[in-house]
Amino acid sequence: AQSVTQLGSHVSVSEGALVLLRCNYSSSVPPYLFWYVQYPNQGLQLLLKYTTGATLVKGINGFEAEFKKSETSFHLTKPSAHMSDAAEYFCAANQAGTALIFGKGTTLSVSS
Amino acid sequence: DAGVIQSPRHEVTEMGQEVTLRCKPISGHNSLFWYRQTMMRGLELLIYFNNNVPIDDSGMPEDRFSAKMPNASFSTLKIQPSEPRDSAVYFCASSLNQGSNQPQHFGDGTRLSIL
Repeated sequence: AQSVTQLGSHVSVSEGALVLLRCNYSSSVPPYLFWYVQYPNQGLQLLLKYTTGATLVKGINGFEAEFKKSETSFHLTKPSAHMSDAAEYFCAANQAGTALIFGKGTTLSVSS
Repeated sequence: DAGVIQSPRHEVTEMGQEVTLRCKPISGHNSLFWYRQTMMRGLELLIYFNNNVPIDDSGMPEDRFSAKMPNASFSTLKIQPSEPRDSAVYFCASSLNQGSNQPQHFGDGTRLSIL
């Protein structure tokens, strides 16, 4: 069965530092991949998605993610963290005919 | 464009009572999902529908939980009787063609507290 693993349930960075949130999927067939963000007391919002084509995907709020088939990874990055980036981030994957599989989430804290 | 609309936003009720959560998906979306989120268990898929038909309800925790989708623009999740352990945030999401490259769009959730 397909699964999504997010390494690190909690990541802390300083404002202005690089943000790196890790996501690995288990599938012999590259799935469709998504990153969502959840701010307190809100639903999940789509940050970006990878379907086919360019492996570096740009999303909202300066985030981007790179699909690496050889590493079965889809890590999320942002060059410079902002206080407003503090939230929970979910990686998700699906393939044709399956429901979206979510990782357990990573809480990002940003300190000044 | 209107997003996924859930009601109520908050619900507080006593154990044993019936609880009904409502969801209006985005117009044109043919897949609808119900999730539950808790600190302990994270985000769990309860059930999803394609074209108003339940496809996978393996995530529904017990027979006390039931979900319906009578038409393309409305779905309900019902808990009867409710128990304190049902306290959680319940999310509804919709998408176009589940299992495709189309993302799911989430509502703001219903925060349910069972006393």
